[in-house]
Amino acid sequence: DGGITQSPKYLFRKEGQNVTLSCEQNLNHDAMYWYRQDPGQGLRLIYYSQIVNDFQKGDIAEGYSVSREKKESFPLTVTSAQKNPTAFYLCASSMFRRELEETQYFGPGTRLLVL
Amino acid sequence: QQQVKQSPQSLIVQKGGISIINCAYENTAFDYFPWYQQFPGKGPALLIAIRPDVSEKKEGRFTISFNKSAKQFSLHIMDSQPGDSATYFCAASLTSGYSTLTFGKGTMLLVSP
Repeated sequence: DGGITQSPKYLFRKEGQNVTLSCEQNLNHDAMYWYRQDPGQGLRLIYYSQIVNDFQKGDIAEGYSVSREKKESFPLTVTSAQKNPTAFYLCASSMFRRELEETQYFGPGTRLLVL
Repeated sequence: QQQVKQSPQSLIVQKGGISIINCAYENTAFDYFPWYQQFPGKGPALLIAIRPDVSEKKEGRFTISFNKSAKQFSLHIMDSQPGDSATYFCAASLTSGYSTLTFGKGTMLLVSP
Protein backbone atom coordinates (compact mmCIF):
# COMPACT_ATOMS: atom_id res chain seq x y z
CA ASP A 1 0.00 0.00 0.00
CA GLY A 2 1.23 3.47 -0.84
CA GLY A 3 1.00 6.07 1.83
CA ILE A 4 2.56 8.01 4.65
CA THR A 5 3.51 6.43 7.92
CA GLN A 6 4.26 8.25 11.15
CA SER A 7 5.72 6.78 14.28
CA PRO A 8 5.23 6.51 17.11
CA LYS A 9 1.51 7.09 17.51
CA TYR A 10 2.07 8.47 21.01
CA LEU A 11 5.27 9.99 22.36
CA PHE A 12 6.10 11.21 25.82
CA ARG A 13 8.76 13.82 26.44
CA LYS A 14 10.48 14.63 29.67
CA GLU A 15 11.49 18.21 30.40
CA GLY A 16 14.79 19.11 28.73
CA GLN A 17 14.66 16.14 26.40
CA ASN A 18 14.87 16.14 22.61
CA VAL A 19 12.52 13.74 20.84
CA THR A 20 12.31 12.75 17.18
CA LEU A 21 9.14 12.00 15.24
CA SER A 22 9.42 9.77 12.21
CA CYS A 23 7.71 10.32 8.84
CA GLU A 24 8.14 8.01 5.85
CA GLN A 25 6.35 8.07 2.49
CA ASN A 26 6.39 5.64 -0.43
CA LEU A 27 4.37 7.82 -2.80
CA ASN A 28 7.48 9.07 -4.60
CA HIS A 29 6.50 12.61 -3.63
CA ASP A 30 9.04 15.40 -3.88
CA ALA A 31 7.75 17.66 -1.13
CA MET A 32 7.18 16.87 2.53
CA TYR A 33 5.75 18.95 5.36
CA TRP A 34 5.35 19.02 9.13
CA TYR A 35 2.34 20.61 10.79
CA ARG A 36 1.37 21.13 14.38
CA GLN A 37 -2.30 20.91 15.35
CA ASP A 38 -3.69 22.40 18.56
CA PRO A 39 -7.39 22.51 19.45
CA GLY A 40 -9.07 25.44 17.71
CA GLN A 41 -5.85 26.49 15.98
CA GLY A 42 -6.05 24.59 12.73
CA LEU A 43 -2.86 23.31 11.11
CA ARG A 44 0.27 25.42 11.48
CA LEU A 45 3.27 24.75 9.29
CA ILE A 46 6.53 23.96 11.09
CA TYR A 47 8.94 23.04 8.27
CA TYR A 48 8.73 21.90 4.69
CA SER A 49 11.09 20.41 2.14
CA GLN A 50 10.81 20.50 -1.64
CA ILE A 51 13.83 18.32 -2.44
CA VAL A 52 16.41 16.18 -0.68
CA ASN A 53 18.95 18.09 1.42
CA ASP A 54 16.88 21.25 1.37
CA PHE A 55 14.18 22.51 3.73
CA GLN A 56 12.49 25.76 4.68
CA LYS A 57 11.09 27.17 7.90
CA GLY A 58 7.34 27.47 8.19
CA ASP A 59 5.33 29.73 10.45
CA ILE A 60 6.34 28.16 13.79
CA ALA A 61 9.81 26.67 13.31
CA GLU A 62 11.32 27.82 16.62
CA GLY A 63 12.18 24.89 18.85
CA TYR A 64 12.06 22.36 16.03
CA SER A 65 14.60 20.92 13.59
CA VAL A 66 14.36 18.65 10.54
CA SER A 67 16.52 16.81 8.06
CA ARG A 68 15.86 15.49 4.56
CA GLU A 69 18.63 13.03 3.70
CA LYS A 70 16.34 10.74 1.70
CA LYS A 71 13.37 11.47 -0.51
CA GLU A 72 11.21 9.08 1.50
CA SER A 73 12.01 10.37 4.97
CA PHE A 74 11.51 13.68 6.79
CA PRO A 75 12.07 13.32 10.55
CA LEU A 76 11.14 16.12 12.95
CA THR A 77 13.03 16.75 16.18
CA VAL A 78 11.27 18.60 18.96
CA THR A 79 14.06 20.19 20.95
CA SER A 80 14.17 21.25 24.57
CA ALA A 81 13.85 24.83 23.32
CA GLN A 82 10.21 24.16 22.43
CA LYS A 83 8.53 25.08 25.70
CA ASN A 84 5.02 24.00 24.80
CA PRO A 85 5.41 20.85 22.71
CA THR A 86 2.17 19.11 23.64
CA ALA A 87 0.23 18.82 20.35
CA PHE A 88 -0.81 16.53 17.52
CA TYR A 89 1.92 16.47 14.84
CA LEU A 90 1.04 15.75 11.24
CA CYS A 91 3.35 14.93 8.37
CA ALA A 92 2.24 15.41 4.76
CA SER A 93 3.67 14.99 1.29
CA SER A 94 2.87 16.15 -2.24
CA MET A 95 4.19 16.15 -5.77
CA PHE A 96 6.01 19.32 -6.76
CA ARG A 97 4.48 20.33 -10.05
CA ARG A 98 4.12 24.03 -10.65
CA GLU A 99 1.23 23.69 -13.08
CA LEU A 100 -0.95 21.37 -11.03
CA GLU A 101 -2.78 21.47 -7.76
CA GLU A 102 -0.39 20.24 -5.12
CA THR A 103 -2.66 17.96 -3.16
CA GLN A 104 -1.14 17.18 0.18
CA TYR A 105 -1.58 13.70 1.60
CA PHE A 106 -1.39 13.40 5.37
CA GLY A 107 -0.09 10.71 7.67
CA PRO A 108 -2.02 9.44 10.72
CA GLY A 109 -0.23 11.78 13.14
CA THR A 110 1.81 11.54 16.33
CA ARG A 111 0.49 12.83 19.62
CA LEU A 112 3.25 14.29 21.78
CA LEU A 113 2.68 14.63 25.49
CA VAL A 114 4.92 16.14 28.14
CA LEU A 115 5.55 14.24 31.37
CA GLN B 1 -1.58 37.10 10.17
CA GLN B 2 -4.42 34.76 9.38
CA GLN B 3 -4.97 34.72 5.64
CA VAL B 4 -7.90 32.28 5.57
CA LYS B 5 -10.79 32.86 7.95
CA GLN B 6 -13.19 29.98 8.51
CA SER B 7 -16.62 29.98 10.13
CA PRO B 8 -18.41 28.72 12.09
CA GLN B 9 -16.05 27.16 14.60
CA SER B 10 -18.61 24.43 15.30
CA LEU B 11 -21.85 23.33 13.71
CA ILE B 12 -24.66 20.98 14.67
CA VAL B 13 -26.95 19.76 11.89
CA GLN B 14 -29.77 17.24 11.93
CA LYS B 15 -29.49 14.14 9.80
CA GLY B 16 -30.67 14.92 6.29
CA GLY B 17 -30.03 18.63 6.63
CA ILE B 18 -27.57 20.86 4.79
CA SER B 19 -24.24 21.74 6.41
CA ILE B 20 -22.62 24.97 5.26
CA ILE B 21 -19.09 26.06 6.15
CA ASN B 22 -17.66 29.36 4.94
CA CYS B 23 -14.15 30.61 4.28
CA ALA B 24 -12.76 33.99 3.29
CA TYR B 25 -9.27 34.71 2.04
CA GLU B 26 -7.17 37.83 1.74
CA ASN B 27 -4.54 37.04 -0.87
CA THR B 28 -6.08 37.61 -4.31
CA ALA B 29 -3.26 35.61 -5.88
CA PHE B 30 -4.50 32.35 -4.34
CA ASP B 31 -5.70 30.02 -7.09
CA TYR B 32 -6.25 26.65 -5.46
CA PHE B 33 -8.83 26.03 -2.72
CA PRO B 34 -9.07 22.54 -1.19
CA TRP B 35 -11.24 21.28 1.64
CA TYR B 36 -9.97 18.61 4.01
CA GLN B 37 -11.95 16.29 6.29
CA GLN B 38 -10.45 15.03 9.54
CA PHE B 39 -11.86 12.37 11.86
CA PRO B 40 -10.74 12.32 15.52
CA GLY B 41 -7.23 10.96 15.96
CA LYS B 42 -6.60 10.74 12.22
CA GLY B 43 -4.81 12.84 9.63
CA PRO B 44 -6.82 15.13 7.34
CA ALA B 45 -7.85 13.79 3.94
CA LEU B 46 -8.60 15.80 0.80
CA LEU B 47 -12.36 16.01 0.28
CA ILE B 48 -12.81 18.31 -2.70
CA ALA B 49 -10.97 21.21 -4.31
CA ILE B 50 -11.71 24.07 -6.71
CA ARG B 51 -9.86 26.48 -8.96
CA PRO B 52 -11.17 30.08 -9.33
CA ASP B 53 -12.03 29.63 -13.00
CA VAL B 54 -15.28 27.90 -11.96
CA SER B 55 -17.95 29.07 -9.51
CA GLU B 56 -19.07 25.67 -8.32
CA LYS B 57 -17.81 22.11 -8.12
CA LYS B 58 -19.88 19.15 -7.01
CA GLU B 59 -18.77 15.68 -5.97
CA GLY B 60 -21.59 13.53 -4.66
CA ARG B 61 -23.15 15.25 -1.64
CA PHE B 62 -20.29 17.76 -1.36
CA THR B 63 -20.29 21.07 -3.24
CA ILE B 64 -17.84 23.96 -3.22
CA SER B 65 -19.24 27.37 -4.12
CA PHE B 66 -16.69 30.02 -5.05
CA ASN B 67 -17.18 33.80 -5.18
CA LYS B 68 -14.03 35.38 -6.57
CA SER B 69 -15.18 39.00 -6.23
CA ALA B 70 -16.04 38.51 -2.57
CA LYS B 71 -12.94 36.38 -1.95
CA GLN B 72 -15.09 33.73 -0.34
CA PHE B 73 -15.72 30.04 -0.81
CA SER B 74 -17.95 27.60 0.99
CA LEU B 75 -18.54 23.90 1.46
CA HIS B 76 -22.08 22.56 1.30
CA ILE B 77 -22.85 19.04 2.51
CA MET B 78 -26.25 17.93 1.28
CA ASP B 79 -28.28 15.26 3.09
CA SER B 80 -25.82 15.34 5.99
CA GLN B 81 -25.22 11.98 7.68
CA PRO B 82 -23.86 11.06 11.13
CA GLY B 83 -20.80 9.65 9.35
CA ASP B 84 -20.04 13.17 8.12
CA SER B 85 -19.34 14.24 11.72
CA ALA B 86 -15.74 15.42 11.56
CA THR B 87 -13.60 18.54 11.50
CA TYR B 88 -13.44 20.33 8.16
CA PHE B 89 -10.60 22.60 7.09
CA CYS B 90 -10.53 24.96 4.15
CA ALA B 91 -7.21 25.95 2.66
CA ALA B 92 -5.72 28.11 -0.09
CA SER B 93 -2.49 28.25 -2.03
CA LEU B 94 -0.79 29.39 -5.21
CA THR B 95 -0.07 26.91 -7.98
CA SER B 96 2.13 29.21 -10.05
CA GLY B 97 5.51 28.97 -8.48
CA TYR B 98 5.77 27.08 -5.25
CA SER B 99 3.73 27.87 -2.17
CA THR B 100 2.44 26.06 0.84
CA LEU B 101 -1.18 25.60 1.87
CA THR B 102 -2.66 28.16 4.26
CA PHE B 103 -5.34 26.51 6.40
CA GLY B 104 -8.39 27.90 8.13
CA LYS B 105 -8.81 27.05 11.81
CA GLY B 106 -11.37 24.34 11.17
CA THR B 107 -15.06 23.64 11.78
CA MET B 108 -16.25 20.80 13.99
CA LEU B 109 -19.39 19.35 12.43
CA LEU B 110 -21.75 17.15 14.40
CA VAL B 111 -24.64 15.54 12.54
CA SER B 112 -27.26 14.39 14.99
CA PRO B 113 -29.17 11.17 14.21
